[in-house]
Amino acid sequence: EAGVTQFPSHSVIEKGQTVTLRCDPISGHDNLYWYRRVMGKEIKFLLHFVKESKQDESGMPNNRFLAERTGGTYSTLKVQPAELEDSGVYFCASSQDVGGRRRSPLHFGNGTRLTVT
Amino acid sequence: QKEVEQNSGPLSVPEGAIASLNCTYSDRGSQSFFWYRQYSGKSPELIMFIYSNGDKEDGRFTAQLNKASQYVSLLIRDSQPSDSATYLCAGFVGDTGRRALTFGSGTRLQVQP
Repeated sequence: EAGVTQFPSHSVIEKGQTVTLRCDPISGHDNLYWYRRVMGKEIKFLLHFVKESKQDESGMPNNRFLAERTGGTYSTLKVQPAELEDSGVYFCASSQDVGGRRRSPLHFGNGTRLTVT
Repeated sequence: QKEVEQNSGPLSVPEGAIASLNCTYSDRGSQSFFWYRQYSGKSPELIMFIYSNGDKEDGRFTAQLNKASQYVSLLIRDSQPSDSATYLCAGFVGDTGRRALTFGSGTRLQVQP
């Protein structure tokens, strides 16, 4: 079974440019999450999709970030225009909850390291 | 108070010893807890998950959950230098289905050969 895949693995862009990150979850996983880790800080939640719907986007820092999951398969996260403070590692994760109060573990991709100069 | 709190370390133990990693959480309603291991520059890797009070063992790893005291711990027996990594405690704090997985800041473990 293929794991969560992310593309690109690294991206270096200038301030003001646009970058689009892509995540392909594990096949069959309805839940897709985006997280971000900036230097020296903990991994922070950005948003959560259930299939194609945004379940929770409370972690999105501002309107320069736009996430989509058309068709409930892969997801993209666009940053436009990028700022210096957007630098960090962006992780995607997926899970398939079976229902009830117990939640399934998240499986993480290798992340995209974004550097804004 | 942070929702999930860990001591950042580093925690240094000699090879072969037991490493004890601790985590506390603020929301008494939290149900599901996870320990992830993250090597430098890599993605978080699931080590253990625990839902019920008590201990759960898997090989050299034991996860412990105490809901009354709101803490989760991870014990690593016979620690190896390859166990040196950052260990992340995470929980679905808050009501199930309404909150995403929340991480602590991680504890860096160093196992000395």
